[in-house]
Amino acid sequence: NAGVTQTPKFRVLKTGQSMTLLCAQDMNHEYMYWYRQDPGMGLRLIHYSVGEGTTAKGEVPDGYNVSRLKKQNFLLGLESAAPSQTSVYFCASRLDWGFVYGYTFGSGTRLTVV
Amino acid sequence: QQQVKQSPQSLIVQKGGISIINCAYENTAFDYFPWYQQFPGKGPALLIAIRPDVSEKKEGRFTISFNKSAKQFSLHIMDSQPGDSATYFCAASFSNTGNQFYFGTGTSLTVIP
Repeated sequence: NAGVTQTPKFRVLKTGQSMTLLCAQDMNHEYMYWYRQDPGMGLRLIHYSVGEGTTAKGEVPDGYNVSRLKKQNFLLGLESAAPSQTSVYFCASRLDWGFVYGYTFGSGTRLTVV
Repeated sequence: QQQVKQSPQSLIVQKGGISIINCAYENTAFDYFPWYQQFPGKGPALLIAIRPDVSEKKEGRFTISFNKSAKQFSLHIMDSQPGDSATYFCAASFSNTGNQFYFGTGTSLTVIP
């Protein structure tokens, strides 16, 4: 049981390039999320999905797009990378409601835009 | 606007001491308050969580204290160990939507031997 897997783990992009980050979970979770983590700012939600075929904007969605074509996969796209998108990106998933419904996070993707 | 304010930003504690991290929130509709622990190069992992209908929850050396009237909650790590050195995040959520956790800015804890 791998949990939440993110690929790639590291990436360097030039300004204006595009890329896709892949998140895969094998826990049959309905909810999936993309966060970015920046020093002194904690984790901020970019986009999320409440089920296959659905997506919604979070706090900082500008410059990013997402897709959830399959329940187990949640893709984060950068169409035209900017230095401000240099960050560590975390994918997370969650099963359902209930008292203990914390996230399961992936190990992150460190992205540098030069 | 930061929904959850966390302090201190960094904390150094001697082995065996008590580590205390504080968080405050404004929105009284929050009803789920988890703490996450993150080691370098890893994703955050759920450590302990509490609902506002209780004032304290303890799991091993980790305790959440919750003060509903003050809109504050804190994490206490008893008998702190070097292996506890990590970044800790508090968070808050609305259970009726369940869609988003609002995270604090994190506390870097260093436990020195």
